[in-house]
Amino acid sequence: DTGVSQDPRHKITKRGQNVTFRCDPISEHNRLYWYRQTLGQGPEFLTYFQNEAQLEKSRLLSDRFSAERPKGSFSTLEIQRTEQGDSAMYLCASSFTDREQFFGPGTRLTVL
Amino acid sequence: GENVEQHPSTLSVQEGDSAVIKCTYSDSASNYFPWYKQELGKRPQLIIDIRSNVGEKKDQRIAVTLNKTAKHFSLHITETQPEDSAVYFCAAKTSYDKVIFGPGTSLSVIP
Repeated sequence: DTGVSQDPRHKITKRGQNVTFRCDPISEHNRLYWYRQTLGQGPEFLTYFQNEAQLEKSRLLSDRFSAERPKGSFSTLEIQRTEQGDSAMYLCASSFTDREQFFGPGTRLTVL
Repeated sequence: GENVEQHPSTLSVQEGDSAVIKCTYSDSASNYFPWYKQELGKRPQLIIDIRSNVGEKKDQRIAVTLNKTAKHFSLHITETQPEDSAVYFCAAKTSYDKVIFGPGTSLSVIP
């Protein structure tokens, strides 16, 4: 499968724990985006990278969230001290410059 | 701030009829407007997109129109089929290359 992949697909954690998600974009895509989607809502922009540079970060993103793309390939999204309100589907997407974004299958996070 | 509104939130049509979904955006510098279809439990998939230098684009039964002056754009699906049932999201790319999504329209096509 040459599409966008995400790992894990599901994560259940207890409140206060840290979690980390991984996204592997389509290989030739230089842009990588993270979104959060809750039930009945559209994807909410979190942050995006062009190559290894993080160019934009949502003001809605608290200091507990951090993302990296160290070599301009895969990316990780870490949430520290998880809260129940963090429960959502976390989607990754990639694109080549400003062309079509291709989404991954998402990581569903449940915080107990 | 940047915002995309979408109407209606739910839409039910008879098979074979047309469906229209309308969106408005706030950032006048937005220049790219994709539409995504999301089936239950699946990832969003692009169905059509339009850039600000054109007013209309068509792909078989799907068409999108853009009015930059009024800052609104619409999705038109003709000859709807049951497999068109899904949630549809409009989106707008802002001047900072962020893609802001609308809240979605749940389309049901009744056989």
